[in-house]
Order: sequence, then C-alpha cells, then structure tokens
Amino acid sequence: QQQVKQSPQSLIVQKGGISIINCAYENTAFDYFPWYQQFPGKGPALLIAIRPDVSEKKEGRFTISFNKSAKQFSLHIMDSQPGDSATYFCAASNSGGGADGLTFGKGTHLIIQP
Amino acid sequence: GAGVSQSPRYKVAKRGQDVALRCDPISGHVSLFWYQQALGQGPEFLTYFQNEAQLDKSGLPSDRFFAERPEGSVSTLKIQRTQQEDSAVYLCASSSDRFGGETQYFGPGTRLLVL
Repeated sequence: QQQVKQSPQSLIVQKGGISIINCAYENTAFDYFPWYQQFPGKGPALLIAIRPDVSEKKEGRFTISFNKSAKQFSLHIMDSQPGDSATYFCAASNSGGGADGLTFGKGTHLIIQP
Repeated sequence: GAGVSQSPRYKVAKRGQDVALRCDPISGHVSLFWYQQALGQGPEFLTYFQNEAQLDKSGLPSDRFFAERPEGSVSTLKIQRTQQEDSAVYLCASSSDRFGGETQYFGPGTRLLVL
C-alpha cells in the first residue's frame, strides 16, 4: 500500500516558469510533510516542510500548499532555474506518535530548460 | 560542522557475502534512521534508533539485515548473505529531535551492488 502518492513522475519546465509537484497521502495520523531535493549521487536535502495547522508556507521561491480535507499537498517552485533540475520527493511522518521514519513518494524528476 | 557521513561510498559484493555499512551522524543527534533507496525510487524506511536503543526495525526486509548503534553515536547496518535484490543505495539520516519528526539530515549514501 503506497501511503504517499506523488505526481508527475517527470516534469519539464522552461526557465522562469512555475514548477508544480503534487502529493496525496492516506494516513490521517501524518502531521509533518517535508519536501526533499536530491541531486545525482547525493543524499536527499530538506527543502521546505509544513504542518497541517497552516495551509501554505513560503520560503524564497519555494511554496508548499496544504489541503487537509483533501489530504493533498503540493510544491510550487517559482521562477524555476536550471540549478533546480533535480529529483524532488514529498514525504510524511507521524512525529508525535513514535518514530516510524519518513514515508516518501516515488519522486519527480524535474528538468528546467534554459 | 560536519554533516552525516557514510562509508564506504560504494561497495561491490558477490552474492552470499556479508557487508557492513557505517554511518556517522551529526554530533549530538539523538535520532538515527536507515533507509533503502532502489534505483529510481524514493527512500524506504528500514530502522530507527533513539540513542543506542533500536525502537523500530519494522522496515528491515529480512532477518539477514541487522543494525546496531552500541554507544548511541556511530551506527552500522549489516547485511548477511547478500542477494542481488539487496542492490540499492543505503541512506542514513540523523535528527536532533527525539522522535525524528523534525528535520532529518541525510548522508550521501552507500551504493551497494551485489553481483
């Protein structure tokens, strides 16, 4: 059972455009939703994270939108740059219910064309 | 300060060999996680330590996988009698949060290839 579903699998965006990646989760106990960025040969690095008490969080060019009732959250990358080309993973965890680690989506391979 | 480090970065093993993968977490981090990342997939949780206590090992795929963190710092993931399906990148992450719910900092991973 895939608890976090991520789409699209791959995405091509022109430089300066908006990149949008979507995730849906099933476990209502999840209360922490981070996005990770991973470059080839590197470990995932935290980009931005949100908790369900807010519907949106913005950090620089990166914004998370969160819809608790729909159990969906998305990452928006504004003014996308070639350096943003990487694989992005959404994830979720139940931080207050004991340690069960992060549950990751399958990833989105993002290419920003110059 | 230094981030999470892992060694070796690459490991080639013949089927049936035992391997040991090492993780050095960020100094002082209480929580330590191991994940397995298959090619083209997201990381999948294997096991979790809070200090030296292994609190969750539900993600370990078989009894050939064993992890330890005897002094609450460095951790070792051991795979016995490796199989081809064990080929993957093994990621270690640490967190200062007691339950790991806050930021997890990942190491670069160990890429294991079983021939």
